[in-house]
Amino acid sequence: SAVISQKPSRDICQRGTSLTIQCQVDSQVTMMFWYRQQPGQSLTLIATANQGSEATYESGFVIDKFPISRPNLTFSTLTVSNMSPEDSSIYLCSVVTGIGYGYTFGSGTRLTVV
Amino acid sequence: GQQVMQIPQYQHVQEGEDFTTYCNSSTTLSNIQWYKQRPGGHPVFLIQLVKSGEVKKQKRLTFQFGEAKKNSSLHITATQTTDVGTYFCAGLGNQFYFGTGTSLTVIP
Repeated sequence: SAVISQKPSRDICQRGTSLTIQCQVDSQVTMMFWYRQQPGQSLTLIATANQGSEATYESGFVIDKFPISRPNLTFSTLTVSNMSPEDSSIYLCSVVTGIGYGYTFGSGTRLTVV
Repeated sequence: GQQVMQIPQYQHVQEGEDFTTYCNSSTTLSNIQWYKQRPGGHPVFLIQLVKSGEVKKQKRLTFQFGEAKKNSSLHITATQTTDVGTYFCAGLGNQFYFGTGTSLTVIP
């Protein structure tokens, strides 16, 4: 399976600012996925990032709030914009490297907005 | 919309006892996957089930996919402290959804 390097691992940010999270995969993948996991909760898909096209956002998530870049097949960024305390959560990127392999996740970014 | 619910939400067991978590979907699933998330960690893929009634084993873990492909279970025999974590099922219906998770605590 793939190895994903995600950073930062954690950050404490002031409300109204933005944070960009980066994920680097050790192999080329068609799709990268961005998830949010609030403390003690399940994972919620934010968007799917394809190289060379705009990301596809799930209901409740918009590009202005969570802009995504996917400049090549091994890298993606998620920006959390104009942050509020409600954005405090763990953000995870993930990929699927083959049929039957499931999702491989980055180590996550624990964001606290104060 | 599609929902994937897991029960129980929390489970505390004595080391050596068995543990089972159940996953139920409101719609038929093409496949079901199981993940384990250690405290402070990220989800790690355990297994995928595709066929109706399928049963797969990984050492002390037994995974089952229901005949109607709407439910699944994970059974751990003789739990160990290393089994601590949250277990998520995830299923592909009209979309791919993660279940609500079961948090397992193993008391030494």
